[in-house]
Amino acid sequence: GAGVSQSPSNKVTEKGKDVELRCDPISGHTALYWYRQSLGQGLEFLIYFQGNSAPDKSGLPSDRFSAERTGGSVSTLTIQRTQQEDSAVYLCASSLDRTAQYFGPGTRLTVL
Amino acid sequence: KQEVTQIPAALSVPEGENLVLNCSFTDSAIYNLQWFRQDPGKGLTSLLLIQSSQREQTSGRLNASLDKSSGRSTLYIAASQPGDSATYLCAAMNSGYSTLTFGKGTMLLVSP
Repeated sequence: GAGVSQSPSNKVTEKGKDVELRCDPISGHTALYWYRQSLGQGLEFLIYFQGNSAPDKSGLPSDRFSAERTGGSVSTLTIQRTQQEDSAVYLCASSLDRTAQYFGPGTRLTVL
Repeated sequence: KQEVTQIPAALSVPEGENLVLNCSFTDSAIYNLQWFRQDPGKGLTSLLLIQSSQREQTSGRLNASLDKSSGRSTLYIAASQPGDSATYLCAAMNSGYSTLTFGKGTMLLVSP
């Protein structure tokens, strides 16, 4: 079956611009997660959606970051006024909540 | 706050060797622990998930063990092959939470 997909695979943007990253989870998975992977920091949690519950935003590094999940499926992570320190690989994962998480290929974001 | 450590950071072995990758965590109140593989420029591939009530899980040449009391998990790879070369990550999910805390990984190189 289809796995988690993410788009775009690569994004280069200029400092100060807004970017949107998209995640399509595995069909039927109720939980969706966003993580960020950067050199020296490893993988860090950003935000978590479970069904219709309010998202857990405790990992978002600043108010420039936001995410939404429409119809309990597709999710969009938005970064406003991008900074160079936002350069990283953004990974999305989905699961049947508290079971194994399955990751997408990631979006590599480069902020010039 | 949960902290996950993986030692060694890098490991190089000749083909055919059996090897052990180590993962330690500071908070023993975990719900499950998951091992992943990451190839360069790719997302994470789930290898094994161990529930807190389990001691080990096996998949093919891979065996993962969990000792909550000592805060340790190991991933055993039997008869290593060059195709096993990748970065291996462990991640803990704490009880009461649904997100993963990752170690920084062990980069494995298996030479022919």
